[in-house]
Amino acid sequence: LAKTTQPISMDSYEGQEVNITCSHNNIATNDYITWYQQFPSQGPRFIIQGYKTKVTNEVASLFIPADRKSSTLSLPRVSLSDTAVYYCLVGAYSGAGSYQLTFGKGTKLSVIP
Amino acid sequence: NAGVTQTPKFQVLKTGQSMTLQCAQDMNHEYMSWYRQDPGMGLRLIHYSVGAGITDQGEVPNGYNVSRSTTEDFPLRLLSAAPSQTSVYFCASSYSKVAGDPYEQYFGPGTRLTVT
Repeated sequence: LAKTTQPISMDSYEGQEVNITCSHNNIATNDYITWYQQFPSQGPRFIIQGYKTKVTNEVASLFIPADRKSSTLSLPRVSLSDTAVYYCLVGAYSGAGSYQLTFGKGTKLSVIP
Repeated sequence: NAGVTQTPKFQVLKTGQSMTLQCAQDMNHEYMSWYRQDPGMGLRLIHYSVGAGITDQGEVPNGYNVSRSTTEDFPLRLLSAAPSQTSVYFCASSYSKVAGDPYEQYFGPGTRLTVT
């Protein structure tokens, strides 16, 4: 399974765009890149997933360069409610219809008023 | 849909006691898994199942047993609780996927377990 490295913590003011970068140098050809968000005392929640280039949904964008050795989660105009831990995962299909995903320690984002 | 539900929310055990953490999902997902999360850490995979009757070990399986008799339920059993098993336990489920499909797991609210 590909290992990921992301900053331990980040601070941002309300209304700013936040970019969290994750490196995954040994990503495999079939791996997808997935980001989860976790609030205190809750289970992680899926945010976005991509394979290459750019993916955008209603809450975030995911930028993946051509070599796929890193990815950047972009949160536009963050609010206090975006304060959470963000996990970058690289998933390998393990056969029999299942993906094995490894959670690192994540990036603790603190949004400041 | 209730999604993924877990019971109990909180539990205190004495060393050596056994118990079962319950997990159920109503989304007809084939894939279910158990994670533990220790303070300041990410989630570590304990066991997973790709369908009824099929289970396999994850990263940290020692001290835990699972079974999958139905699609909906995936209980986690602690055989003889130890203080090192004090943690928050999350159950997750997802659709069965084939290679190349994107992947999303749905997590339950967690069970906070303390072993004294």
